[in-house]
Amino acid sequence: GQNIDQPTEMTATEGAIVQINCTYQTSGFNGLFWYQQHAGEAPTFLSYNVLDGLEEKGRFSSFLSRSKGYSYLLLKELQMKDSASYLCAVNLKAAGNKLTFGGGTRVLVKP
Amino acid sequence: DTGVSQDPRHKITKRGQNVTFRCDPISEHNRLYWYRQTLGQGPEFLTYFQNEAQLEKSRLLSDRFSAERPKGSFSTLEIQRTEQGDSAMYLCASSSSQGQDIQYFGAGTRLSVL
Repeated sequence: GQNIDQPTEMTATEGAIVQINCTYQTSGFNGLFWYQQHAGEAPTFLSYNVLDGLEEKGRFSSFLSRSKGYSYLLLKELQMKDSASYLCAVNLKAAGNKLTFGGGTRVLVKP
Repeated sequence: DTGVSQDPRHKITKRGQNVTFRCDPISEHNRLYWYRQTLGQGPEFLTYFQNEAQLEKSRLLSDRFSAERPKGSFSTLEIQRTEQGDSAMYLCASSSSQGQDIQYFGAGTRLSVL
């Protein structure tokens, strides 16, 4: 099967850094995506990794290690508006173009 | 580019009724996806179109569910004889096969079956 694991919930302080880990067990990997989802809203695309290494986009960075089946999303200089769920999703070559999502990590930013 | 739009945003229906949802993808996107999301979970894949062809359907999609994309633009998802277990958020996404094939999501249709 395709197991995608990420922590259920994390709490951090405004201005701090939080790292959300995602592990996957699968073959035929074709890319990993991170989305942000505020309650009741659409998932919003954050980042895409297909090769090993770090992709940086402003306050958000995403890292991928294909050999370890591991990714993380790093959120820096946390703001209150970053309180949301963060979804890790994998695109599998053997599964057409569908995304397989983890359960999401709910991040709560406190003042 | 107005993004992916879905209609209606909310639908309340009684068990046994039929419902239909509409998705309008980003105009230049040739791929369109339907997902279902329940509270506290990640989205689950339902079905996928490239242009007007339905290329994949999940085992989650029982025979009460049908999706169409007749002209390769907008899509509809119909649920017949709704059950309480169908209550969920139905999300539509679209992407372009040119480039990174990133899926962009609509705001979803929240279905409540009473």
